[in-house]
Amino acid sequence: NAGVMQNPRHLVRRRGQEARLRCSPMKGHSHVYWYRQLPEEGLKFMVYLQKENIIDESGMPKERFSAEFPKEGPSILRIQQVVRGDSAAYFCASSNQGKGETQYFGPGTRLLVL
Amino acid sequence: GENVEQHPSTLSVQEGDSAVIKCTYSDSASNYFPWYKQELGKRPQLIIDIRSNVGEKKDQRIAVTLNKTAKHFSLHITETQPEDSAVYFCAASGGTYKYIFGTGTRLKVLA
Repeated sequence: NAGVMQNPRHLVRRRGQEARLRCSPMKGHSHVYWYRQLPEEGLKFMVYLQKENIIDESGMPKERFSAEFPKEGPSILRIQQVVRGDSAAYFCASSNQGKGETQYFGPGTRLLVL
Repeated sequence: GENVEQHPSTLSVQEGDSAVIKCTYSDSASNYFPWYKQELGKRPQLIIDIRSNVGEKKDQRIAVTLNKTAKHFSLHITETQPEDSAVYFCAASGGTYKYIFGTGTRLKVLA
């Protein structure tokens, strides 16, 4: 019973490098959400994707951040030219349907920018 | 904009006592309210949820109540145990696809 998978679990990058975070949704789920959690804070919505489509990216910074969910393979959250403020836990969630449906979370990727 | 307020931010109770965490949401279109438990370094785990067509839901020691008129919903944990110690997040959804999370309550159950 594979749940939502994320990798890597921990990622260390130096300022200016790229970070690439992967998320495989639960089997049968076609809706993926990315959230960011800063230390000692709640989760903030970043982006919502369905296969090959970005539905809502209202929570994602317009620069340096991008997300995709290709027809085959995992969803990718990409952060270019990372800065120290990008250090956070990034959680992916998936659901079977969209609006108003239960979202199941992955274990998260903890990004540390040196 | 959409907002969920959560209180208290920290809560300490004696083992066996009850714990209550309260949330208030702003988007009247919200119709789904999940609660998540997050242990240190772990993923948020769904513990209970409620939809807007019911006022209360119970699952063993955990219950959630919803007052749509006042836009309040609350988590009640009875007979608390040390393993209930964690951060609890409420969320509201339905007006849009995304969850709007509260800021979390750090619950500490003292043995």
